[in-house]
Amino acid sequence: KNQVEQSPQSLIILEGKNCTLQCNYTVSPFSNLRWYKQDTGRGPVSLTIMTFSENTKSNGRYTATLDADTKQSSLHITASQLSDSASYICVVGPLGDSWGKLQFGAGTQVVVTP
Amino acid sequence: DTGVSQNPRHKITKRGQNVTFRCDPISEHNRLYWYRQTLGQGPEFLTYFQNEAQLEKSRLLSDRFSAERPKGSFSTLEIQRTEQGDSAMYLCASSPGTSGRTGELFFGEGSRLTVL
Repeated sequence: KNQVEQSPQSLIILEGKNCTLQCNYTVSPFSNLRWYKQDTGRGPVSLTIMTFSENTKSNGRYTATLDADTKQSSLHITASQLSDSASYICVVGPLGDSWGKLQFGAGTQVVVTP
Repeated sequence: DTGVSQNPRHKITKRGQNVTFRCDPISEHNRLYWYRQTLGQGPEFLTYFQNEAQLEKSRLLSDRFSAERPKGSFSTLEIQRTEQGDSAMYLCASSPGTSGRTGELFFGEGSRLTVL
C-alpha cells in the first residue's frame, strides 16, 4: 500500500482562482516532505522542501503546509495561472539513510482553464 | 544549459531488444539517481550512486537492468531483453553531496521508452 496518498486525483480550476491539494502520509518516522511540479512529459521540479519541524513554506504563489501530528500536508496555489497546469507530486522522506525510501505520491493533476 | 541532461528523450524499440539511456548530472553533483515513472503514477526509485559507487538498488531493478557510473560523472541505464512492461519514463536526478537527506533533487527531462 502506498504510504503517500494525494487528493483529489485531478481538478479543474478557472484561471485566477485558488486551489488546495492534499497529501496524507503514513511514513514514520518522518524526516522531510517535498512538493514537486511536473509538466506533462517533463521531469519534476522542486517547489518546496520542509523538515518535520517546519509547518509552512512558500515559493511565490505556492504555499505548502505541514501538520506532522496528523501526518497531513497541503499545497495551496494562489491566483492560478494557465502555466500552473501540471501534476503536483507529494514526496515524503523517512528518517534514516536510505534514498531509496523516499515515498512518492501518485500526484494531483491540475488543469487551469481560461 | 547546466541542468540534468538525459538522452535519448524518446526511444521506441521492439520487445527483446536492448536499450541504453544516458544521464549527465549537474557537474558539481556527486549523487545520481534513477527513477521509473509510469503514466498516472509517481516516480519509483531504481538506484542511487554516490560518485562511482552504486550504494542502493531497488528490487525493481531486475537482472535485466544494469546501471553504471564509471567515472563518477555521467551514468548509463541499460535494459536488456526489453519487455512491454518496461515501457515507462526513466528519470535521472542529481544532488550535491552536501545536501544531506533533505537536499533538493534536480530531475532531468526523462527518457521515454516504448516497447512494442
